[in-house]
Amino acid sequence: SQQGEEDPQALSIQEGENATMNCSYKTSINNLQWYRQNSGRGLVHLILIRSNEREKHSGRLRVTLDTSKKSSSLLITASRAADTASYFCATRGATNKLIFGTGTLLAVQP
Amino acid sequence: EAQVTQNPRYLITVTGKKLTVTCSQNMNHEYMSWYRQDPGLGLRQIYYSMNVEVTDKGDVPEGYKVSRKEKRNFPLILESPSPNQTSLYFCASSSTAANSPLHFGNGTRLTVT
Repeated sequence: SQQGEEDPQALSIQEGENATMNCSYKTSINNLQWYRQNSGRGLVHLILIRSNEREKHSGRLRVTLDTSKKSSSLLITASRAADTASYFCATRGATNKLIFGTGTLLAVQP
Repeated sequence: EAQVTQNPRYLITVTGKKLTVTCSQNMNHEYMSWYRQDPGLGLRQIYYSMNVEVTDKGDVPEGYKVSRKEKRNFPLILESPSPNQTSLYFCASSSTAANSPLHFGNGTRLTVT
């Protein structure tokens, strides 16, 4: 059962530009997490935002959460070629189960 | 180094030949889980385990078995693989604290012919 839906499905930008990915979900959550996946490899945890938080930063990453709209966004500033990867949001609700979206494929052109 | 180790990395087999994919973590995590990843479908949970001897079905458990006899190991067993189980499989673990992130293995790419 898919909870998070990422938008866009694919995004291509130039190095140095900012990349914004969005995630919408359907039911109430305890937290929302973002993961990165390099081609064919395991997912790597990037950042977690709790349901009572609105914004969180980690290095070049900025995550926002709007629980009234059931949506989150991940902003990567000053993107680099090494940021090329798929990005997934995952939500954890009352059941404590982590449910992943289908991901956004980001390509950063050098 | 804290990690989740899956083996093998690649596996090609034939329909009906039993196989096991191993998963081991060295972080003393209580929670472990198996996912499969297919194009356009994202990650779907197969089975998970909250602790030793405690396992439960995920969203797509049909055709799979798991066991959790030790805290560090969580093997995935395909008793009679079929071509629709061709996929990329990931093992993951975490502590059971509500805000704990998942740690993933590097994946096993399985092809069933």
